[in-house]
Amino acid sequence: EPEVTQTPSHQVTQMGQEVILRCVPISNHLYFYWYRQILGQKVEFLVSFYNNEISEKSEIFDDQFSVERPDGSNFTLKIRSTKLEDSAMYFCASSEEGEKPQHFGDGTRLSIL
Amino acid sequence: KQEVTQIPAALSVPEGENLVLNCSFTDSAIYNLQWFRQDPGKGLTSLLLIQSSQREQTSGRLNASLDKSSGRSTLYIAASQPGDSATYLCAFDNAGNMLTFGGGTRLMVKP
Repeated sequence: EPEVTQTPSHQVTQMGQEVILRCVPISNHLYFYWYRQILGQKVEFLVSFYNNEISEKSEIFDDQFSVERPDGSNFTLKIRSTKLEDSAMYFCASSEEGEKPQHFGDGTRLSIL
Repeated sequence: KQEVTQIPAALSVPEGENLVLNCSFTDSAIYNLQWFRQDPGKGLTSLLLIQSSQREQTSGRLNASLDKSSGRSTLYIAASQPGDSATYLCAFDNAGNMLTFGGGTRLMVKP
């Protein structure tokens, strides 16, 4: 069964550094998403992306965050200058259409030191 | 703003028992509702999706229901097995493609 893949599985970065999290969505999907889950807290929506542009974003997704689909298969989340509070599990998801189920990857655990 | 609550936070049952997980929400203007399963250290596996116009969906031993008037959804698991042990999350799409999640119910099924 097709799946969403995320790399790396674990990223350790010094505070203030830039980090890029990578995702390969399911190939025929058109909608892409990033969520995060801080340890012990709820999964939170960050951003959705369709037709090469952001369609929705949350208050968390400030100017430090950006997303990109650099080619036909990858979808990336960049955090420009990481803070301690960015430490979380980051999940990528994709869906075939807007009202179809969202399918999630296994996540990237981001640890900021 | 949608608020999603899942009670109980944790549940332990013996194998073979039928069980119900509860999810309540405050904003009934939803597009759809999804139930997910999350295993430790893993991503979220989509179990069932209920569109706003539907009342329930079934997949194998799982049945999910949606009652917008009462602001509740339930996930029914029949004949539970140890392999069902995981955290179960409900999530609502209110604004088109943005899921709002509950805190989850951590289920342990004992052999």
